Formats: sequence, C-alpha cells, structure tokens
Amino acid sequence: ETGVTQTPRHLVMGMTNKKSLKCEQHLGHNAMYWYKQSAKKPLELMFVYSLEERVENNSVPSRFSPECPNSSHLFLHLHTLQPEDSALYLCASSQDRDSYGYTFGSGTRLTVV
Amino acid sequence: AQSVTQPDIHITVSEGASLELRCNYSYGATPYLFWYVQSPGQGLQLLLKYFSGDTLVQGIKGFEAEFKRSQSSFNLRKPSVHWSDAAEYFCAVAAVEEGFKTIFGAGTRLFVKA
Repeated sequence: ETGVTQTPRHLVMGMTNKKSLKCEQHLGHNAMYWYKQSAKKPLELMFVYSLEERVENNSVPSRFSPECPNSSHLFLHLHTLQPEDSALYLCASSQDRDSYGYTFGSGTRLTVV
Repeated sequence: AQSVTQPDIHITVSEGASLELRCNYSYGATPYLFWYVQSPGQGLQLLLKYFSGDTLVQGIKGFEAEFKRSQSSFNLRKPSVHWSDAAEYFCAVAAVEEGFKTIFGAGTRLFVKA
C-alpha cells in the first residue's frame, strides 16, 4: 500500500460504455496527476490538479474527463473510448506540483473492447 | 529537444552481480533527478531523488545513484542484485526549462538470471 489507492484494479469496457476511475490519497498532498502508460511508450501525463484546480491538460481527447472534488480524491470519467485507449492508468500525488517526487497508485488496467 | 534518455531498453544481470542503469539528461541547469521502479502490474515507486548537495544519493532497497554534472548523468547502481529486483526502472527529471514538469525516460527493463 503506497498511500495512493486506485479502484478498480482492472476494468473491461465496451466502446459505448461510461465508467469512472477513482483515485484517493490521504497523504496531505496538494497535487494529483493522471498518467497513461501504454506498452512500448513513455509515461504520458494527462492531467494535473493543484489544490483541486486543473492546471494542466495535455491535449487529452474529450472522451476522458477528470474531476477533483476535494484534495484527497481524483476521478477520471470515461465515455465512448477506443481500443487504443487500452492501457494502465496511473494516479500520482505529490506534496506540491512537481516538487518532491511522486507517490503512485497501483494503477487501473483498462481494456476497451 | 530537451530530454531524458535511458540508453538501455533492457539489461540482464546474474543474481549477486552488480548493476548500473544509465540515465542522461539534456538540460542546461541541473534538474531535480529521480529514479522510480515498477514491478509488473504495479505503479511506480520512488527509489531515490537528487535536488542538490552530495552527489551520491542513497535510496531504498539498497540502491544508490550518482549525479555527475560533467556527464549530465544520474546512473543508478546496486552492488548485488536480488531476483526480486527484476522490474522496470524509470529515470525522471524536473527541469526549470520545463517549468519543473516531471519528464520520464522510456524505462529500462531489468531481468535477473539465477
């Protein structure tokens, strides 16, 4: 247990489904991140939240919609995904944005069929 | 383009042998430097980090890394590898040129043979 908890661990969804990924941290961190990890590709930063405000959106398609209702929780809402969106989605947190290294969750393995 | 490079896609080491994983960066000012490890099916775990000061940094699980400014390198080392060290290792930097956004290398997969 790293202090960052992601649920579910595995998710299989059809292209017309709507689902959400959840991330929770009780480390007192002020920044939270969503990363996408695909096979044979470097980690891709998707979204950054600092003090519950979205501060970065790295040209992510609108079928991915983040939500940060409070400093401890981060969601990634998914709808009408494509098979190429299948990947490991990692949540991370840090004390402040990009300052002290990240604490990662174990990820959600997403398969789009 | 500014970047962080891990030249080795994969490395195989015998159990008990020493290990060195390479990492180079191309930023003018010294960035913050990190090494992470990812076991299969898991998220990344921070092994160690360098911000300033002593250029030899000790981390968890018996790992250390040495910052060499002249070579723009931050190589990860372990004197004696255990089978449980088999994993993927990521070097990362946070550079002022990137607004301290963390940039990850492509990773090095470590295989440990008996």
